[in-house]
Amino acid sequence: TQLLEQSPQFLSIQEGENLTVYCNSSSVFSSLQWYRQEPGEGPVLLVTVVTGGEVKKLKRLTFQFGDARKDSSLHITAAQTGDTGLYLCAGVRPGTASKLTFGTGTRLQVTL
Amino acid sequence: GAGVSQTPSNKVTEKGKYVELRCDPISGHTALYWYRQSLGQGPEFLIYFQGTGAADDSGLPNDRFFAVRPEGSVSTLKIQRTERGDSAVYLCASSLGLAANTGELFFGEGSRLTVL
Repeated sequence: TQLLEQSPQFLSIQEGENLTVYCNSSSVFSSLQWYRQEPGEGPVLLVTVVTGGEVKKLKRLTFQFGDARKDSSLHITAAQTGDTGLYLCAGVRPGTASKLTFGTGTRLQVTL
Repeated sequence: GAGVSQTPSNKVTEKGKYVELRCDPISGHTALYWYRQSLGQGPEFLIYFQGTGAADDSGLPNDRFFAVRPEGSVSTLKIQRTERGDSAVYLCASSLGLAANTGELFFGEGSRLTVL
């Protein structure tokens, strides 16, 4: 059983469309990060959220941490082909300072 | 080098053989992580080092897996008696601080292991 479930698992959209990726858990997290991974490469950090209800924006990407710190979402506005990749949420549970647990992943494909 | 370096990038071996995967972290990073990733899935935590010691090895699947970091820099993941189910990409990451302190993990490109 995965601690962090992401949905959808796969998303194929056209350039210019908006989308939201969800990261859900029944457990509380001290902090949550979002990474993007391209084929043949390691994940690259996009953002870290630490406060319940926190919203962060990174250009066309908006990240939200749930009030109860059990879930998060990533919203992309006007997707571009360069947004294609595997999006991963990852969290740290209270009391497990070292262990960053990754979600199941959402593969996004943006076409012209 | 500027980033995390992993070797080999690709390893094909036969069932039952012994394999070593190497990770050279970013200079000065005291924290080092090993993850395993299957195709299209999120990385699965294996082990974490703070300096030379394995601070958390709770993700190692069984006693065939072992990792060392003798001088607090380069780390080697060792897999004995490999099985087909061990086939995956093994990712190494390093960090200046603990993940709990929102330390960013910098990942290498991974070592793809295929067990025939």
